[in-house]
Amino acid sequence: AQRVTQPEKLLSVFKGAPVELKCNYSYSGSPELFWYVQYSRQRLQLLLRHISRESIKGFTADLNKGETSFHLKKPFAQEEDSAMYYCAPLRGGSNYKLTFGKGTLLTVNP
Amino acid sequence: NAGVTQTPKFQVLKTGQSMTLQCAQDMNHEYMSWYRQDPGMGLRLIHYSVGAGITDQGEVPNGYNVSRSTTEDFPLRLLSAAPSQTSVYFCASSYSLSSLGYEQYFGPGTRLTVT
Repeated sequence: AQRVTQPEKLLSVFKGAPVELKCNYSYSGSPELFWYVQYSRQRLQLLLRHISRESIKGFTADLNKGETSFHLKKPFAQEEDSAMYYCAPLRGGSNYKLTFGKGTLLTVNP
Repeated sequence: NAGVTQTPKFQVLKTGQSMTLQCAQDMNHEYMSWYRQDPGMGLRLIHYSVGAGITDQGEVPNGYNVSRSTTEDFPLRLLSAAPSQTSVYFCASSYSLSSLGYEQYFGPGTRLTVT
């Protein structure tokens, strides 16, 4: 079965500490991978996508095909990073359906 | 450019009642979808549409109907509401089906309570 797993429901770090939000997937083929973020009282929005190799708000995500992981990292967390983060693989071909993990709630403490 | 809009923002229904959640986008996006968000469950796809007149089921379609008569609108109908349908509902749209340009734009959500 195709699946995306975010093993941590909650993650709490202190400001300035490194943060890593884990995402593992089990999909046939090579899905495109995305991270979406939902800040408090805001709508869900795209944070970054693997294909762009970008760094947004200091976050990066590396695709490890061997481990089938797409962990989100930031070297120095800020309080404004507190939010719910969703890993989302997109399977291509004839079935473009974005599937979301269950999410990780990140809290950055002062 | 309003993006993706949803109405109503909040709704309380009694078991067995029916209602329609409205979703509209003004970005000329072909692809639209409905998700429900429940604590500990993340977002689950209910139905989606790849263009006007074309809809298909997602992960959790039971109890919901959709139609897509225009590019702009994608309403979600609850035929007979049940307490298990208490959730936050999000509509989303995308302008591209190719992964290169893929980004889903989300509406603000509708919080539905069924008593």
